[in-house]
Amino acid sequence: RKEVEQDPGPFNVPEGATVAFNCTYSNSASQSFFWYRQDCRKEPKLLMSVYSSGNEDGRFTAQLNRASQYISLLIRDSKLSDSATYLCVVNGDTGGFKTIFGAGTRLFVKA
Amino acid sequence: DARVTQTPRHKVTEMGQEVTMRCQPILGHNTVFWYRQTMMQGLELLAYFRNRAPLDDSGMPKDRFSAEMPDATLATLKIQPSEPRDSAVYFCASGLDVDRMNYGYTFGSGTRLTVV
Repeated sequence: RKEVEQDPGPFNVPEGATVAFNCTYSNSASQSFFWYRQDCRKEPKLLMSVYSSGNEDGRFTAQLNRASQYISLLIRDSKLSDSATYLCVVNGDTGGFKTIFGAGTRLFVKA
Repeated sequence: DARVTQTPRHKVTEMGQEVTMRCQPILGHNTVFWYRQTMMQGLELLAYFRNRAPLDDSGMPKDRFSAEMPDATLATLKIQPSEPRDSAVYFCASGLDVDRMNYGYTFGSGTRLTVV
């Protein structure tokens, strides 16, 4: 099992749709969680951190479920500009503090 | 905005040549990563430094790759000799790890390497 696994993509949704991505992690000692966004031929950029209490930033909501070891990202009212690859990132603490990126989920938002 | 600076942005080289990529992390960050990204493999971790000490380079082909941080403002990744399969985008990222927590990483724009 991979240490960080994401929904396979791509997700193709119309503008205005709500879309959700899930990401599971295997290390129960993980302490920090993030979602990054990567546009085509660009570097990944931090989208938001994920806190135990859940957090929201405009149309984006991130949640963490420690018991089930998954994090989620919900995008409401999708825009064309949301088209990108979304990467789940987990910081673990087994055998040394380590950051692991998921393979990413590709999102296409269409008019 | 503070940024991670990578040079060169693009590099085309012949097989067998040495390639050196450089990264200037954000001032004050204590963690530096080197990643490689290809269409087939996604983001692969090559090397991981904290406070300039290498923590993990298990993802790096040891026979030809080497990563160093000669000082806090410079990280280097060298490939010698280069091979066509090394063609990829190489990203450097820096961040601040405090008390085994991290607050997100900033990536450089990457070096796009083509080995012919």
